[in-house]
Amino acid sequence: GQQLNQSPQSMFIQEGEDVSMNCTSSSIFNTWLWYKQDPGEGPVLLIALYKAGELTSNGRLTAQFGITRKDSFLNISASIPSDVGIYFCAGQVGIQGAQKLVFGQGTRLTINP
Amino acid sequence: DAGITQSPRHKVTETGTPVTLRCHQTENHRYMYWYRQDPGHGLRLIHYSYGVKDTDKGEVSDGYSVSRSKTEDFLLTLESATSSQTSVYFCAISGRTGLKVEQFFGPGTRLTVL
Repeated sequence: GQQLNQSPQSMFIQEGEDVSMNCTSSSIFNTWLWYKQDPGEGPVLLIALYKAGELTSNGRLTAQFGITRKDSFLNISASIPSDVGIYFCAGQVGIQGAQKLVFGQGTRLTINP
Repeated sequence: DAGITQSPRHKVTETGTPVTLRCHQTENHRYMYWYRQDPGHGLRLIHYSYGVKDTDKGEVSDGYSVSRSKTEDFLLTLESATSSQTSVYFCAISGRTGLKVEQFFGPGTRLTVL
């Protein structure tokens, strides 16, 4: 089946640093989504990207939909302790009907105060 | 928060027993999904529904069945649980606004099969 390669798998940073993570695929996706998951909870949608080349921000978060439609990145600026968690990228094939998503393996973010 | 609840939140069962997990939504969304989450695999789609009584298989459907008799409820059944089905199960719903579709997740059910 389709796979997303998400990197890095884990990050250990100092508070205040910027963070960058990305997802790549051998398949084309029509939508890219970025989620954050806290321990014991379900993933929460951070940013959704719908067009190739699209650059979207949500507060300190910025994400881009790659031109080839095979990749996406997420940046977090000036990290704070509440940014700790696992970040997942997800790609959607097709635009009609059910939104069947393929997920990356996740990036675990740890912040040292 | 999207109005999604899952029950039970935790369950321990024995190999060979049937198990049913319930997902309930208050958003009246058409599409509902079941995923499982395992270390190193992210989330993988088990089954999904595109309406009452309309369901289809996802990536990892073997050993699972689903039913949707009402818009608000989507049930996941393990007919005869196995240890490989120990996992965290998430229900999700999605709604469409024009070309934009967003998928929201429930809090999850942690299932342990002994």
